[in-house]
Amino acid sequence: DGGITQSPKYLFRKEGQNVTLSCEQNLNHDAMYWYRQDPGQGLRLIYYSQIVNDFQKGDIAEGYSVSREKKESFPLTVTSAQKNPTAFYLCASGTWNTGELFFGEGSRLTVL
Amino acid sequence: AQSVTQLDSQVPVFEEAPVELRCNYSSSVSVYLFWYVQYPNQGLQLLLKYLSGSTLVKGINGFEAEFNKSQTSFHLRKPSVHISDTAEYFCAVSDSNYQLIWGAGTKLIIKP
Repeated sequence: DGGITQSPKYLFRKEGQNVTLSCEQNLNHDAMYWYRQDPGQGLRLIYYSQIVNDFQKGDIAEGYSVSREKKESFPLTVTSAQKNPTAFYLCASGTWNTGELFFGEGSRLTVL
Repeated sequence: AQSVTQLDSQVPVFEEAPVELRCNYSSSVSVYLFWYVQYPNQGLQLLLKYLSGSTLVKGINGFEAEFNKSQTSFHLRKPSVHISDTAEYFCAVSDSNYQLIWGAGTKLIIKP
């Protein structure tokens, strides 16, 4: 089945540790996105990539990093510089000609 | 810049009653419009979209929305809600670069 796979679904980390969230898509989409979701705050864009080997900062990129070495993959690293990393993280991919997005099931990160 | 306003953060409604979730956007230029649904601890799923053509758009699960260009609105409606419709609903509009601008979301609460 075509879709977007995020892993892990739940992740716990200690303060000061980096953690990488995986996102893989087999929809042949050029564009991929990472969003952060906190209760009552809707979706906030962290990073996006419209083509392999290129990515752009979104509204809340500080403390995060990404790479786009393959069309299918767009991993997100939450670094120790991120002050409040506990959140629900959503990966999406989409077509450039309408903006329609397809989402993964999300990854919930909890910092202990 | 484009903006999206979902006027209600929560909408309580009795089961089998009709519901309308409101969405207004700021741009007067041609846009693409979307409604997504998010069930607890899951990713977002496309409910319906307006790209062109008929202003009344039908989606999944019995939902429909009407594009009103003069009022810059794209309200979501369902004639009779079910307990399974309990979820958060997001309205989104694509900007001139086909990036989605998101509303803050509306939680639909179904009362038995």
